[in-house]
Amino acid sequence: AQSVSQHNHHVILSEAASLELGCNYSYGGTVNLFWYVQYPGQHLQLLLKYFSGDPLVKGIKGFEAEFIKSKFSFNLRKPSVQWSDTAEYFCASLPGRRALTFGSGTRLQVQP
Amino acid sequence: DAGVIQSPRHEVTEMGQEVTLRCKPISGHDYLFWYRQTMMRGLELLIYFNNNVPIDDSGMPEDRFSAKMPNASFSTLKIQPSEPRDSAVYFCASSFIGGGPFGYTGELFFGEGSRLTVL
Repeated sequence: AQSVSQHNHHVILSEAASLELGCNYSYGGTVNLFWYVQYPGQHLQLLLKYFSGDPLVKGIKGFEAEFIKSKFSFNLRKPSVQWSDTAEYFCASLPGRRALTFGSGTRLQVQP
Repeated sequence: DAGVIQSPRHEVTEMGQEVTLRCKPISGHDYLFWYRQTMMRGLELLIYFNNNVPIDDSGMPEDRFSAKMPNASFSTLKIQPSEPRDSAVYFCASSFIGGGPFGYTGELFFGEGSRLTVL
């Protein structure tokens, strides 16, 4: 069955530090990948998505992710985090059961 | 533009009571999803609809859970009888056809969620 793994459950960084959150998926065929963010008290919203083409995808708020097919990975990166990036980040893949399958999430805490 | 609207935002009930959660998707969206979020299990897909028809309900935990979508602008998720282990945040999300592999883009628009506490 399709699954998505996020190995970092809780990450604490200082402002201006660089960020990389890991995401691995298990599906061997064509796959579309997403990162969603959930700010405290808010609903999930899309950060970025990969369907095809350039494996380096740029999203909102300075985030980017790189699709590495050989590693089944889609890691999220940001060169310099801000306090306002404190949130929970979810990697997701499609196809799952014909619906998005989410990873368990990574809680990012950025300290001022 | 109004986003996905869920109600109630918070519900506290006692074990054994019936709970009904409501969702109004974004107008024009063809797909509606119900997810449940808990600390232990993360975000789990419960069921999703396409054009008001349930497509995959294999994530529904058991017969106590049921979901309906009587029209394109309304869906309900019902739990009867409720149990303490049902306590979670229930999210509704909608999406639209956009050429993705299964007909939709995969970009979900989430509601604010309904936080359910069953005592």
